[in-house]
Amino acid sequence: ETGVTQSPTHLIKTRGQQVTLRCSSQSGHNTVSWYQQALGQGPQFIFQYYREEENGRGNFPPRFSGLQFPNYSSELNVNALELDDSALYLCASSLEARGETQYFGPGTRLLVL
Amino acid sequence: DAKTTQPPSMDCAEGRAANLPCNHSTISGNEYVYWYRQIHSQGPQYIIHGLKNNETNEMASLIITEDRKSSTLILPHATLRDTAVYYCIVRSVKETSGSRLTFGEGTQLTVNP
Repeated sequence: ETGVTQSPTHLIKTRGQQVTLRCSSQSGHNTVSWYQQALGQGPQFIFQYYREEENGRGNFPPRFSGLQFPNYSSELNVNALELDDSALYLCASSLEARGETQYFGPGTRLLVL
Repeated sequence: DAKTTQPPSMDCAEGRAANLPCNHSTISGNEYVYWYRQIHSQGPQYIIHGLKNNETNEMASLIITEDRKSSTLILPHATLRDTAVYYCIVRSVKETSGSRLTFGEGTQLTVNP
C-alpha cells in the first residue's frame, strides 16, 4: 500500500507567476486536504476535497484553488504568487471527509522570489 | 474546534520515557484528541488519537484525564529519532464543514544521548 505522495519536492517561482502542486492520495482514500506551513509555524488548513467537490475552506484568498480527480488525486493551484506564499505545502488524505485520520505526504517546498 | 496548550519545548534522555502534556480545557463531548509529530521539514506523522479511554499503539500511549480537559502522550523509550515537534490537536468528527486539523505551535521534543 503506497502512502501519500506529492510532486514536485521543491519549486522556485517568481512573484506574479502561477504554480500547480500535485498530490496522490493513499490507496482507498477519497478525501484530500491541503495545508500551508510557513517557516516556524504549524500547518494551516487551506481546503479539503471530498469526492471531487470542495468540502471546507480555510482563510485563504480565491487565488488558492484546487481540483480533485476521479482517482482522488488532487492539485493545488496558486495564482499571482506573492513572497509570503513561500512555504511547505502539505496534502493529507483520509478514508472519508469526517471522522477519519488524515495521513500526510512529504510536502512541496515552494520558494517565491 | 477546542484550543490546545502545550509547552514550547521539552528535553528527554535517550531510553527514558517522554511525557508530553496537553491542555484542552474547552474540549466538548464529540471532540477527539489527536497527536501528530513532525520531524524537521517532513510531513506530519500521525501517532495516536482517543476520545475518552486511554489508548496504546506501537508508537505511543495516550492518557486522557477523566474530565477530558488534559492529556499526556507517552513515548515509553525515547530514541534520538523521536526528536521532533509534537502537535496535540482537538478535532470534532461531526462538523459539517470538513474535517480540518487545527495545528497550534506544538512542543519541540529534543531527545539527548
